[in-house]
Amino acid sequence: GQQLNQSPQSMFIQEGEDVSMNCTSSSIFNTWLWYKQDPGEGPVLLIALYKAGELTSNGRLTAQFGITRKDSFLNISASIPSDVGIYFCAGQRGTGANNLFFGTGTRLTVIP
Amino acid sequence: NAGVTQTPKFQVLKTGQSMTLQCAQDMNHNSMYWYRQDPGMGLRLIYYSASEGTTDKGEVPNGYNVSRLNKREFSLRLESAAPSQTSVYFCASSDARNTGELFFGEGSRLTVL
Repeated sequence: GQQLNQSPQSMFIQEGEDVSMNCTSSSIFNTWLWYKQDPGEGPVLLIALYKAGELTSNGRLTAQFGITRKDSFLNISASIPSDVGIYFCAGQRGTGANNLFFGTGTRLTVIP
Repeated sequence: NAGVTQTPKFQVLKTGQSMTLQCAQDMNHNSMYWYRQDPGMGLRLIYYSASEGTTDKGEVPNGYNVSRLNKREFSLRLESAAPSQTSVYFCASSDARNTGELFFGEGSRLTVL
């Protein structure tokens, strides 16, 4: 399968701090998506990006589709305790979720 | 709104036993998927069904079979469980237009002894 490298693997931050994470690949993708998984739950879609260079926000979350189409970035501003969880990037080539590949995740811990 | 419902949530099996994981969605989605999640490896696609009546292998299909029973239901069967199949299994669904935008169930944690 495709290799999507997410970094960092884990983060410990103070409440109120901003968070940045990224996802890189050796392959080009047409779509980048970011999911969040709360403990004991399934992943939930946060943001979907469909165009190179696109910058999209969802509340305190902002994600960008890299110009090279080989990377994507997620920023969380003013973190709160409920931001705790694992954040997954996913890249898709073409149509069909059989062409969707997930990164290994960034585990975020927010210290109150 | 139930979304995607998986059963059971937890299961312990002995090596060689068989079991079926059930999944149902109430969003009228065409496509359904089974993933497994292992520590440090993200989510890997086992099997998928692009539409009712079709199923195809994903990245890691060995040791599994699936059935798309109808538009709502997609089951995953382990015929002879192995310890390597200890994992958390997620069912997901999507509509035909935005296939990367998946709706996941809560997961089924399977342990094979």
